[in-house]
Formats: sequence, C-alpha cells, structure tokens
Amino acid sequence: QKEVEQDPGPLSVPEGAIVSLNCTYSNSAFQYFMWYRQYSRKGPELLMYTYSSGNKEDGRFTAQVDKSSKYISLFIRDSQPSDSATYLCAMRRTGGGNKLTFGTGTQLKVEL
Amino acid sequence: NAGVTQTPKFQVLKTGQSMTLQCAQDMNHNSMYWYRQDPGMGLRLIYYSASEGTTDKGEVPNGYNVSRLNKREFSLRLESAAPSQTSVYFCASTQANQPQHFGDGTRLSIL
Repeated sequence: QKEVEQDPGPLSVPEGAIVSLNCTYSNSAFQYFMWYRQYSRKGPELLMYTYSSGNKEDGRFTAQVDKSSKYISLFIRDSQPSDSATYLCAMRRTGGGNKLTFGTGTQLKVEL
Repeated sequence: NAGVTQTPKFQVLKTGQSMTLQCAQDMNHNSMYWYRQDPGMGLRLIYYSASEGTTDKGEVPNGYNVSRLNKREFSLRLESAAPSQTSVYFCASTQANQPQHFGDGTRLSIL
C-alpha cells in the first residue's frame, strides 16, 4: 500500500463548479502538506503549503488538513478552464532532508 | 526570473549509452533533488543533496549517480541507460522548511 493515496481521475466539471480534490495518507509523522498544480509538459508549481491541521485560503483555493483522519483536501471555487491540469498532493515529516512523498496526481478538466 | 533550469528538455538514447542531465538553480537554495515521474507512479525521489558537498539516496537510486558540482548545480548521470529508465526527470530545490521549486523536466526515451 502506498503511503499517500490519490484518485487519478480524470475528473471533468463544468466551468464555475466547486472542485474537491483529496488525498489520504498512512504516515502519522507527516506534518507539512502541499498541493502542486502541473500543466501538461511542465513542472509542478506550488499552490498551497500548510503545516499541521486546519484550513488555509488563497483566492479561489482552500486547503484543508485533518490529521486525525489522515486526510487532506483542496477546494477550487468558481473553477475556470485554466484550472485544467493535474493536481499533486505532497507531504513530509519534520526534518529528514525535506524529502517529499507525493500522491500520483488527479487529472482535472474544467469544461466550458 | 529563471528559478530551476534543466537541460536538455528532450533526449533519445540507445540502450547502454550514458548521459548526464543538468540542473541549475538561481535562488541560493541549499537543498536540491532529482525525481522521476512515471504514469500511475507519481513523482519518486532518485537522489537528493541536502547541502553543497553531500548527496544521499532516495527511493529509486539504482542505475543513477549524482554530483553536486557547487551550490547552484546538481547533475544526474545514467552510466548505462536501460529502457526502464524512460521517464520524465524533474529537478527541484528548496531552502530550510520551505516548499520545493521544480524545473520543467527532461523527457528521456531509451530505445
């Protein structure tokens, strides 16, 4: 079983929809949680970075971490065609060379 | 504002050939990383360098070597390429507890 599980999709939604992307993990030592967006033929680009449990909002994006359930989410409000990409969750424990463990990514398509 | 620069962007090799992938960052980061990305597998760490002069194995180091040339540059070498090493390779860098910044990758095909 992988340390981080993420539904690969693809997920297709209409423009303007609220999108929910999720990851579950098994290692309780993970303390830092990230969401990256990756466009086709590009490198991952950081969207959200959170420490421990709670919510963080940045514009149309909200990241939630529930450490008791080992579950993280990314919500995208008012989704746009430009949000069409693969979304990768990543996490790491304190120390350890800042090494990240990634989910496999969820492919999202926002349609007009 | 270059960030992390990887060269080349594309490469085709024959089985048994050798090659070095180059990575340079201009953010004065201490730590640098090499990943490979394969369908259904996500990003997997090959090697990393926590600071200049140090390198350590990641999850999938077999068949690869690395060199931290200086603070800016971190190269990945395939000594004898195998078809199983066909992948997209990403370099990343970071400082302290900050998130990693990625380059745009090298797409490598081995025939």
